[in-house]
Amino acid sequence: KAGVTQTPRYLIKTRGQQVTLSCSPISGHRSVSWYQQTPGQGLQFLFEYFSETQRNKGNFPGRFSGRQFSNSRSEMNVSTLELGDSALYLCASSLTSGGANNEQFFGPGTRLTVL
Amino acid sequence: GEDVEQSLFLSVREGDSSVINCTYTDSSSTYLYWYKQEPGAGLQLLTYIFSNMDMKQDQRLTVLLNKKDKHLSLRIADTQTGDSAIYFCAESPSGGSYIPTFGRGTSLIVHP
Repeated sequence: KAGVTQTPRYLIKTRGQQVTLSCSPISGHRSVSWYQQTPGQGLQFLFEYFSETQRNKGNFPGRFSGRQFSNSRSEMNVSTLELGDSALYLCASSLTSGGANNEQFFGPGTRLTVL
Repeated sequence: GEDVEQSLFLSVREGDSSVINCTYTDSSSTYLYWYKQEPGAGLQLLTYIFSNMDMKQDQRLTVLLNKKDKHLSLRIADTQTGDSAIYFCAESPSGGSYIPTFGRGTSLIVHP
């Protein structure tokens, strides 16, 4: 069974631009969560989607948004990029939403650099 | 709010045991996790423990939980160079949103 895939793996943008990242979950998984990983803040939860609905949201500004398609694939979008948005963006999929024993499987991440 | 603390670095010699420590503040934590992240990769779940357990062993990995002190540790026996990675402790609360809170990660360096 293929793992979680994220595209692109690397991305360079300039301030003010917008970016869209994509995540394909493991087949059969219906929940997709997004995390931002930076050296300064560590791993921070962005949002979770399940059955095309946002279930949970972290403490990020409205410039960060996401969506999920009927095939469970998810995209996240960051508008008006800032230097501080440079980070590794990780996507994690799980079978369902909720339940602390609902194991998450992580993708390799998209490394975003904002110049 | 929730907070998970870990030391940033640990250096051990190949063949020795490694012990990575973690403290958390949320007393309602139900599950506590250890993840491993190798360079250029995402996080891989190594093991997890329920909050009503004291210990869990899985091959070379031993997780100890002291719920009273909110202290979690991961022991890796016979540490190998392939164990060099960043190890993250995480906790998730009971009820409602299960969104895990992660520590900053401990960078384990294994040298010959």
